[in-house]
Amino acid sequence: GAVVSQHPSRVICKSGTSVKIECRSLDFQATTMFWYRQFPKKSLMLMATSNEGSKATYEQGVEKDKFLINHASLTLSTLTVTSAHPEDSSFYICSARARAYGYTFGSGTRLTVV
Amino acid sequence: AQSVTQLGSHVSVSEGALVLLRCNYSSSVPPYLFWYVQYPNQGLQLLLKYTTGATLVKGINGFEAEFKKSETSFHLTKPSAHMSDAAEYFCAVTPGAAGNKLTFGGGTRVLVKP
Repeated sequence: GAVVSQHPSRVICKSGTSVKIECRSLDFQATTMFWYRQFPKKSLMLMATSNEGSKATYEQGVEKDKFLINHASLTLSTLTVTSAHPEDSSFYICSARARAYGYTFGSGTRLTVV
Repeated sequence: AQSVTQLGSHVSVSEGALVLLRCNYSSSVPPYLFWYVQYPNQGLQLLLKYTTGATLVKGINGFEAEFKKSETSFHLTKPSAHMSDAAEYFCAVTPGAAGNKLTFGGGTRVLVKP
C-alpha cells in the first residue's frame, strides 16, 4: 500500500529559529503534495498545494514567506517554518496524492515554539 | 466550490451500540467522498471512499457509508462500536476525478463508553 513518511514527529524550537519538516512518499510517486495545519480539536486547514518542480500554491491567508514549501522530487516535499513564533505552534500534516492511491497522509508533526 | 458539514462535533456511544456519524456535502459536480479516522497525535487513515458505482461502500474496521445523492449525504455507520473506535472522524469531498484539493468537514469526536 501507499505509505507517506513524515518527520520529525515532534519538534521543539526556540522563537526566531527555522524548522524543516519532511514528507516522503515511500513506495509511490506523488503527483501532488499538500500541507495542512491542525489546531487543537479542530479540522485540517489546507495551507498549500505543491507539484513537483513548480512553486507551491498557497491558500488565502497563509504567508508564503513564513511557510516555505519545496517539492524537489516526486517523492519529497518539505515545509520550512521560518522565524518561528509561539503562534506557529501547531500540528502539521502532509498528504501525497497519486492517481492509483488517492490521498495518503503522513503521521503529522507536533511543532512547539518556545 | 465544495463544502462539508458534519452534524455533531461529539458523539457518545456505548460499546456494542450502533455508530452513526452524519456528513452532508455540497458540490457543483459529482463528488468523490471520503471518511478518515484520526487517533491522537497521528495523521489521517482512510476508512472508505466513494467515487462511482455502488452507493453503499464498505471500509475497514467494519465501517460502511452510503452515498445518497438526493440527500447530499454520506453518513458513516458501524453496527457495533468497539472501544478502539474512540477517535476523531473526518468526512471530506473533492470534485470528482478532476478534483485536487480535499475539503474537510469539522470532524466528529467519538467517545465509546464501556
